[in-house]
Amino acid sequence: GAGVSQSPSNKVTEKGKDVELRCDPISGHTALYWYRQSLGQGLEFLIYFQGNSAPDKSGLPSDRFSAERTGGSVSTLTIQRTQQEDSAVYLCASSPRTGNYNEQFFGPGTRLTVL
Amino acid sequence: GESVGLHLPTLSVQEGDNSIINCAYSNSASDYFIWYKQESGKGPQFIIDIRSNMDKRQGQRVTVLLNKTVKHLSLQIAATQPGDSAVYFCAENISNAGGTSYGKLTFGQGTILTVHP
Repeated sequence: GAGVSQSPSNKVTEKGKDVELRCDPISGHTALYWYRQSLGQGLEFLIYFQGNSAPDKSGLPSDRFSAERTGGSVSTLTIQRTQQEDSAVYLCASSPRTGNYNEQFFGPGTRLTVL
Repeated sequence: GESVGLHLPTLSVQEGDNSIINCAYSNSASDYFIWYKQESGKGPQFIIDIRSNMDKRQGQRVTVLLNKTVKHLSLQIAATQPGDSAVYFCAENISNAGGTSYGKLTFGQGTILTVHP
């Protein structure tokens, strides 16, 4: 079956512009996560959705970052007034509402470059 | 083990050898420890997890060992193959104050495994 998809795969933007990153989770997966991976680093948790609600936004670095999820499916991560330090790979993952959520299914990521 | 910064630990092995990848963790409250594999240009892929009340768990060609005394986690890969070449991350899953785990994973820095044919 189809896995998690993300778009765009690459995004180059100028400092100060807004960007929107999209995630299509696996159908039926109620949990959705956004992580950020900087060059040579591990993954940094950003936000967690259960259905359309976000019980944990604790990882969002600043108020320039926001995310939403509609219809319990597609999610968008928006970064306003991008800064060079926002450059990273943004990964989305989904997980079914069973077990302990350790097994998360990741998309290929969106590589964001802020010039 | 894990390191801080851009210089990831590396492990080079010959095809057919056994590989051991190590990870040190700091949070004794973690409920689960998990290993993920990330191939170049792809998102991480779940390998295996272990609950904090266990010390060993086996999967297909992989074994995870947990030593809570020294806060050490290892992943053993038997008969390593070129397709195992990737970056390997350990991660922790900690329940919230209500005892519920929802998958907020904390990842280590990663170890690069290179398997030579």
